[in-house]
Amino acid sequence: EVQLVESGGGLVKPGGSLRLSCAASGFTFRSYSMNWVRQAPGKGLEWVSSISSSTTYTFYGDSVKGRFTISRDHAKNSVYLQMNSLRAEDSAVYYCARGGISRWSPLDFWGQGTLVTVSS
Amino acid sequence: DIQMTQSPSSLSASVGDRVTITCRASQGISNYLAWYQQKPGKVPKLLIYAASTLQSGVPSRFSGSESGTDFTLTISSLQPEDVATYYCQKYNSAPFTFGPGTKVDIK
Repeated sequence: EVQLVESGGGLVKPGGSLRLSCAASGFTFRSYSMNWVRQAPGKGLEWVSSISSSTTYTFYGDSVKGRFTISRDHAKNSVYLQMNSLRAEDSAVYYCARGGISRWSPLDFWGQGTLVTVSS
Repeated sequence: DIQMTQSPSSLSASVGDRVTITCRASQGISNYLAWYQQKPGKVPKLLIYAASTLQSGVPSRFSGSESGTDFTLTISSLQPEDVATYYCQKYNSAPFTFGPGTKVDIK
């Protein structure tokens, strides 16, 4: 059974940093691209970042480019999102989602999400 | 960047009604279009990918189609458990933009 479990969310002050983790199981992690998607309270889904299976390619949404960094560790079957220079508008539930074996794939499994709140 | 729009933003329909949601891409994306369902308080779920391919386990009352840069999600007979917000997403290239969502409820 595919499982994605996010952790690392919490309350952080504006300008601060946070590192989200997503532990994957139930599939061959190294073969799949991985993504982060966020959802602010009462708002729609916003794609944040993607990393290819081989880590060769990383992509970011304009709102986080230069502040967030996605990475993955195949030995730990985990994907990470390092978030720096956080702003109030980054407050959201952050979902980890599996992409596909090919570079351009839909998101077929999602974790339960971790809440990030940026506030003084 | 390619923009994704959806219409309507919300709708209310009766059980058994045929419901249609439209998603439009500002430029061509071939068939790299997915539809997701998010029930209240739940995690998004993939319904359809490649514009018209039903994800495993999704009821056959859901279907997708494409015409150029216009994509349609159809629920052939609305059920109470279909109350949700539906999002389209392009995935032909980054950024993998979502549409703003369409909220569906029962009249």
